[in-house]
Amino acid sequence: DTEVTQTPKHLVMGMTNKKSLKCEQHMGHRAMYWYKQKAKKPPELMFVYSYEKLSINESVPSRFSPECPNSSLLNLHLHALQPEDSALYLCASSLTGGGTDTQYFGPGTRLTVL
Amino acid sequence: GQQVMQIPQYQHVQEGEDFTTYCNSSTTLSNIQWYKQRPGGHPVFLIQLVKSGEVKKQKRLTFQFGEAKKNSSLHITATQTTDVGTYFCAGPKDQTGANNLFFGTGTRLTVIP
Repeated sequence: DTEVTQTPKHLVMGMTNKKSLKCEQHMGHRAMYWYKQKAKKPPELMFVYSYEKLSINESVPSRFSPECPNSSLLNLHLHALQPEDSALYLCASSLTGGGTDTQYFGPGTRLTVL
Repeated sequence: GQQVMQIPQYQHVQEGEDFTTYCNSSTTLSNIQWYKQRPGGHPVFLIQLVKSGEVKKQKRLTFQFGEAKKNSSLHITATQTTDVGTYFCAGPKDQTGANNLFFGTGTRLTVIP
């Protein structure tokens, strides 16, 4: 199984809502990533988990809260988002998180904040 | 901060023509990766280059890493409609050895049948 799955595919939320994005992989990878991608722009790294510990936080606002319950799952909890947070949120995984790892991306969650 | 620029930003080619995208980093990279993202899709890994001056081929695709490890190119021979998408180069953001990829600006390829 070489697939990274993400749910939901689409999400519309108000600025006062709390929602969560979910990501799952069963490739035995020990590193998982969250990226944000605005339209016609490259993906931007948000968080990196390595062996279930947060190893990189790219100065992301606290209204985004990542969680890694186990080595196969990655969540992104959303609270009090702004309309400018509307974007495609991509999850990825790689073997160990080492600098030469190949990253496998999921299909993404397209988020709209009203 | 680190910058990774790709040129051109957009390219329209007739099917069968060749295509090249260039990637230039403001810093030396330990390795460079190339990804393809189809319209409405997600990035898919194509290849990784590690050595200075390295050249790798995948069928009609040729990838090159510059001698100074600050630039790279992707050349597609005889484009097909299946080549449509945005091509991104990406490299580690720093020298820590972590896989914290910094993506280039991307080149969007359109192939006219």
